[in-house]
Amino acid sequence: EPEVTQTPSHQVTQMGQEVILRCVPISNHLYFYWYRQILGQKVEFLVSFYNNEISEKSEIFDDQFSVERPDGSNFTLKIRSTKLEDSAMYFCASGGGSGRGETQYFGPGTRLLVL
Amino acid sequence: DQQVKQNSPSLSVQEGRISILNCDYTNSMFDYFLWYKKYPAEGPTFLISISSIKDKNEDGRFTVFLNKSAKHLSLHIVPSQPGDSAVYFCAAIPLSNTGKLIFGQGTTLQVKP
Repeated sequence: EPEVTQTPSHQVTQMGQEVILRCVPISNHLYFYWYRQILGQKVEFLVSFYNNEISEKSEIFDDQFSVERPDGSNFTLKIRSTKLEDSAMYFCASGGGSGRGETQYFGPGTRLLVL
Repeated sequence: DQQVKQNSPSLSVQEGRISILNCDYTNSMFDYFLWYKKYPAEGPTFLISISSIKDKNEDGRFTVFLNKSAKHLSLHIVPSQPGDSAVYFCAAIPLSNTGKLIFGQGTTLQVKP
């Protein structure tokens, strides 16, 4: 069964460093998402991406964040200058249809720890 | 403000009995509602969804009920199995059409053998 994969599974970084989280969505999917879950809190929407551009982003997704689909298969989330409060589990998801009511399939997540 | 709330952080049920997980929302501008299950160290896994124009959807042991007037939905699992023990998230898709999910806090279900 096709699945969303994410690398790395864990990343530890120093405050102020740049990190890139990588995702390989399901191959025939057209809609891509990043979410995060800070320990003990809700899963929060960060950004949605369709047709090579951001379709919606949350207030969390400020200028320090960017997304890219560099080669038609990978989908990346970059945090330019990490802060302590960026420590969280980051989930990538992809969906095949119009987005409305379409099931989103989640990857296993990347646990980011900013020291 | 679009919010989804799961007010019960945990639920414990005996194997074979019914599990009922509840979810409330505060905004009528949601298009679809979904339930996801999450095991530790894994991403959320889709279970079942319901359109805002329906009031019930069933898939095997899982049934979701939607009460629009009360802004409430529930997930029924019958019969519950020990393998159902996980965190269950209610999620909603607003009418914005980008497909973003708004999640509740989650309810940890423990099914005892």
